Amino acid sequence: DIQLTQSPSFLSTSVGDRVTITCRASQGISSSLAWYQQKPGKAPKLLIYAASTLQSGVPSRFSGSGSGTEFTLTISSLQPEDFATYYCQQVKSYPVTFGQGTRLEIK
Amino acid sequence: EVQLVESGGGLVQPGGSLGLSCAASGFTFSDHYMDWVRQAPGKGLEWVGRVRKKANSYTTEYAASVKGRFTISRDDSKNSLYLQMNSLKTEDTAVYYCVAVGLSYYFDSWGQGTLVTVSS
Repeated sequence: DIQLTQSPSFLSTSVGDRVTITCRASQGISSSLAWYQQKPGKAPKLLIYAASTLQSGVPSRFSGSGSGTEFTLTISSLQPEDFATYYCQQVKSYPVTFGQGTRLEIK
Repeated sequence: EVQLVESGGGLVQPGGSLGLSCAASGFTFSDHYMDWVRQAPGKGLEWVGRVRKKANSYTTEYAASVKGRFTISRDDSKNSLYLQMNSLKTEDTAVYYCVAVGLSYYFDSWGQGTLVTVSS
């Protein structure tokens, strides 16, 4: 199975901050990676797919990069509605796997 | 508007069985692979499994943790997805999400989830 390791697991940040979350894969997955945002009590929402393609309707302050084994999700200027948990996911091979999540909290 | 509505969750004893359903609308259900994803209380996301579309013979894939105990099926005539769970364990306690898989194999659309609690 391909393991995905996110860092950090928790981040205390402020509105307006630039935030970067890293996802490392245990083996190469080319660009077969997505990022999801989940708020408490809600289903996850697709933000970015194919490592760097912004899903329709997602604000441009979100961006993704990387390929192979290292990927990043960047939020250029945090907004109040961005405080949530973020997960990376690989779809390169079965089983589909997710990272353990990164929780953003207001400082 | 895409809608996925899960039902069938509830309390079941260890070793018991439970069936979940997911009613889909707002998109061409038969054109999509469909997945189940679960989330234990306070934990991360875990992929449960997939059923492919008719063109792929409705074949299935499962996570190792549920293989042999869970069965995913679909009825395209009813725009519905199913998850039959047998030999349930306490560690199967989770919110179960129905997911429509996009053409690039990413998880485009999610239901609101249904809670399954396995406890004596």
